[in-house]
Amino acid sequence: KNQVEQSPQSLIILEGKNCTLQCNYTVSPFSNLRWYKQDTGRGPVSLTIMTFSENTKSNGRYTATLDADTKQSSLHITASQLSDSASYICVVISYGNNRLAFGKGNQVVVIP
Amino acid sequence: NAGVTQTPKFQVLKTGQSMTLQCAQDMNHEYMSWYRQDPGMGLRLIHYSVGAGITDQGEVPNGYNVSRSTTEDFPLRLLSAAPSQTSVYFCASSPQGHGYTFGSGTRLTVV
Repeated sequence: KNQVEQSPQSLIILEGKNCTLQCNYTVSPFSNLRWYKQDTGRGPVSLTIMTFSENTKSNGRYTATLDADTKQSSLHITASQLSDSASYICVVISYGNNRLAFGKGNQVVVIP
Repeated sequence: NAGVTQTPKFQVLKTGQSMTLQCAQDMNHEYMSWYRQDPGMGLRLIHYSVGAGITDQGEVPNGYNVSRSTTEDFPLRLLSAAPSQTSVYFCASSPQGHGYTFGSGTRLTVV
């Protein structure tokens, strides 16, 4: 079973609307969690990083939350733009060996 | 500061051919790693290195070799290409195992 599960697998939203992506993980021990944005044909680019003690982190219109007790994270996109169309990958890093566990990504398509 | 540079961007190989995917970073990062990304699957770790002269296997190492003779370079070698190795390959680097920076990828097709 994958250590990082993301939902929904894909979604289509209207330009200007908000959406929330979910990430549940079982990685332990936990070091930090990152959200990456991957445009089609490009490498992943880091959006946010959150450590154990952080609950919320924002990067422009992107806001990530973390509940380390329930091992859940979310990425909220506010006032979506066409350029937000991408795959959003949740990555959880283990404490100690710094191994990365990748989710399969949330595929977001923003339509006008 | 170019970040992580991967070459080539695209490659087509015949089954049984060998080749090397190049990865170079100019950020003096200690950690470097190679991943493959296949449709419907998350990125999977092939090999990684925590410093020059040190390499180790990841989740899917079979059919691939790596070496790390310098901090900057981390080439990935396909010994005898197979159709199952058709994928998009990403190289990434990190200062100490955090904050990975990814290259733009190499799209490999084995026919």
